[in-house]
Amino acid sequence: TQLLEQSPQFLSIQEGENLTVYCNSSSVFSSLQWYRQEPGEGPVLLVTVVTGGEVKKLKRLTFQFGDARKDSSLHITAAQPGDTGLYLCAGHQTGANNLFFGTGTRLTVIP
Amino acid sequence: NAGVTQTPKFQVLKTGQSMTLQCAQDMNHEYMSWYRQDPGMGLRLIHYSVGAGITDQGEVPNGYNVSRSTTEDFPLRLLSAAPSQTSVYFCASSRGSTSYNTEAFFGQGTRLTVV
Repeated sequence: TQLLEQSPQFLSIQEGENLTVYCNSSSVFSSLQWYRQEPGEGPVLLVTVVTGGEVKKLKRLTFQFGDARKDSSLHITAAQPGDTGLYLCAGHQTGANNLFFGTGTRLTVIP
Repeated sequence: NAGVTQTPKFQVLKTGQSMTLQCAQDMNHEYMSWYRQDPGMGLRLIHYSVGAGITDQGEVPNGYNVSRSTTEDFPLRLLSAAPSQTSVYFCASSRGSTSYNTEAFFGQGTRLTVV
């Protein structure tokens, strides 16, 4: 069973378009992280959100943590080819010793 | 600062062979972990360690062993390779496991094929 489900699994868009990626769970998380992974590399942390309803912005990327801390979204404005990669959400639960990773969204931005 | 170093990058094994994937970090992180990544399944935790001498099982531990004799090193051993273990393996480290905002640093991965 997967604690965190991401949608869509694949996304191919034209440069300049906007997109939103979702990370959903029926479980509550004390924090949620978003990572980006490029081919042949390990994931790299983009952001951590810790408060229900929190919104964080990283240039053209906007991250939101759901009010109930069960879900999160990543919105990219005016996507660029450099945004291409695998986006992974990862949640931490209170008392747990590890991160639970989502299923991933593979984004391709076409020039 | 090398971060997390994994070796080898690529490996082909025959069914039944054993091998060790190496992982070393130079950030003095207490927490280290091993994940496998398969298409459509994200990263699944195999084993983890909260400090030298302490290891525990993750979500998919069967067929793998680990040990943590030093803070820096966390090798993953495949006891008798099976085709189902064909995957990309990632080692990660972080300052701690209980801090809710702990960033995980990943190695570049080992692509393993079992034939």
